[in-house]
Amino acid sequence: GAGVSQSPSNKVTEKGKDVELRCDPISGHTALYWYRQRLGQGLEFLIYFQGNSAPDKSGLPSDRFSAERTGESVSTLTIQRTQQEDSAVYLCASSLGLSGDEQFFGPGTRLTVL
Amino acid sequence: GQNIDQPTEMTATEGAIVQINCTYQTSGFNGLFWYQQHAGEAPTFLSYNVLDGLEEKGRFSSFLSRSKGYSYLLLKELQMKDSASYLCAVSTDSWGKLQFGAGTQVVVTP
Repeated sequence: GAGVSQSPSNKVTEKGKDVELRCDPISGHTALYWYRQRLGQGLEFLIYFQGNSAPDKSGLPSDRFSAERTGESVSTLTIQRTQQEDSAVYLCASSLGLSGDEQFFGPGTRLTVL
Repeated sequence: GQNIDQPTEMTATEGAIVQINCTYQTSGFNGLFWYQQHAGEAPTFLSYNVLDGLEEKGRFSSFLSRSKGYSYLLLKELQMKDSASYLCAVSTDSWGKLQFGAGTQVVVTP
């Protein structure tokens, strides 16, 4: 398909384990964004990548969270030593990279930390 | 700090009009977006305003006043399928970094 894809769609893990979430953006989109959405709440910005520029990591809640992006393609969000408060839906979006460009969202990964 | 406020929930009757207000105070402003999010689904784009005034797109219109830090989304001729959460988001830099409000749940009743 031509949209943003994310995997896995659901992840259940035990407290203290590491998890890796994957995002495949729309081809040609230079910007890629990660958000977190807790149940019944709005989207919380985590990090974004724009072309070859250094990523904006200002939204990462702790040093347990990190993300990488390979060129202008796949991105992975890693959460180390997961905690129960990390339970949320993690959404990825991509865009052409300017402030007025629509962000296209993936279906999200629902993370549950037991 | 960043502050984006919108009502938590609004209820309206099928065929009616609903106006969702959003006020914002952010460190940067490069435009304001409205997204629609159905339960369990990803947000989808509705509108973008960067200049003051009203943008109309079918049954949906969006208004912006930058001097007042205020926007609204107007939904006309409400349909049952419009029951969803509506997210106000401000672009705070040149590269599309978005700060979202908590969302307004709109419930359309028969």
